[in-house]
Amino acid sequence: KAGVTQTPRYLIKTRGQQVTLSCSPISGHRSVSWYQQTPGQGLQFLFEYFSETQRNKGNFPGRFSGRQFSNSRSEMNVSTLELGDSALYLCASSLDTSGVYEQYFGPGTRLTVT
Amino acid sequence: DAKTTQPPSMDCAEGRAANLPCNHSTISGNEYVYWYRQIHSQGPQYIIHGLKNNETNEMASLIITEDRKSSTLILPHATLRDTAVYYCIVRVANSGNTPLVFGKGTRLSVIA
Repeated sequence: KAGVTQTPRYLIKTRGQQVTLSCSPISGHRSVSWYQQTPGQGLQFLFEYFSETQRNKGNFPGRFSGRQFSNSRSEMNVSTLELGDSALYLCASSLDTSGVYEQYFGPGTRLTVT
Repeated sequence: DAKTTQPPSMDCAEGRAANLPCNHSTISGNEYVYWYRQIHSQGPQYIIHGLKNNETNEMASLIITEDRKSSTLILPHATLRDTAVYYCIVRVANSGNTPLVFGKGTRLSVIA
């Protein structure tokens, strides 16, 4: 079974621009979560989507948004980029059955804002 | 904030067992203990999780104390490829998805 894929893998943008990152979950997984990883703050939860609805949201400004499509693929968007948005953005997918289930991460998209 | 405490770093000789401790003294009855690892610049990799019984899979064993206030991840025969940051995470079990809250983890260095 193919793993979580993220595109692009690397991205360089300029302050003030916007960016869209894409995530394709493992086949059959309906939940997609996004995380940001920086050297200073570590891994932080951004938001989670299930059945095209945002179900959880972390403590990030409104410049960070996302969506999920009917095939469970997800995109996240960052508008008005700041230097501090430079980070590794990770997507994770999981089954959504009652009980506890693990999340599987993709390789990440490394965003550099100059 | 992370609800776990881990040593910042550990070394282990190649071929030996690596025992990574985790303290989670405020864990609730409906919270699982999860372990993930992250090899440099890659996405975190799920290792194992458990509630109160010891668990074993092809990657590792998880030993949870009877009072559930601490646990140990055991890699039985560490290899150089096991060098990574290991995260111990406490996560509530419910019918919806709850996010993973990562702390700083333990940086394990496996030495030849």
